[in-house]
Amino acid sequence: AQRVTQPEKLLSVFKGAPVELKCNYSYSGSPELFWYVQYSRQRLQLLLRHISRESIKGFTADLNKGETSFHLKKPFAQEEDSAMYYCALSTSGTYKYIFGTGTRLKVLA
Amino acid sequence: DAGVTQSPTHLIKTRGQQVTLRCSPISGHKSVSWYQQVLGQGPQFIFQYYEKEERGRGNFPDRFSARQFPNYSSELNVNALLLGDSALYLCASSPLTGITEAFFGQGTRLTVV
Repeated sequence: AQRVTQPEKLLSVFKGAPVELKCNYSYSGSPELFWYVQYSRQRLQLLLRHISRESIKGFTADLNKGETSFHLKKPFAQEEDSAMYYCALSTSGTYKYIFGTGTRLKVLA
Repeated sequence: DAGVTQSPTHLIKTRGQQVTLRCSPISGHKSVSWYQQVLGQGPQFIFQYYEKEERGRGNFPDRFSARQFPNYSSELNVNALLLGDSALYLCASSPLTGITEAFFGQGTRLTVV
């Protein structure tokens, strides 16, 4: 069965420290992986997708098919990065996202 | 553009009742998806509609149904409500079907008592 696992419910880091939000998935085919973010009192929005291989707001994520991971990284956390982050998987031929349970990132001053 | 709009924002219903949630997609978007988000969990896929046809269905009972109208707006209906149906219901729209960015609404918070 397809599944997305985010092992940390809460991650607290100090401003300027590196951040890594973990995401592992299970899917035997070729997945499409995404990171969605929800800032306080805002709607869920796309942060980045693996197929674009882009950096958004300083965040990057690399798809590692060997480890079935898609960890989200940022070298220097900022207070405005505090939010709920969801990793999501979409499989070819389907029209749905499978979301992880989310990780709340708190960046402390 | 106001983005994806959902109504109502909050709703309280009694067990056994029926509820209808509404979603207006971003102008030009023909695909609408529905997700259920229980507290502490990620969103779970319920339905996707594209060009008024159902294109995907999640693992939800037949009490859940949806439809898409000619103007691409959508309704999600839930019959015979259970306490476990209490959740945030999210609507997302996309310009195309298939794997693409989804634009989410603010959601409808349904409480079943």
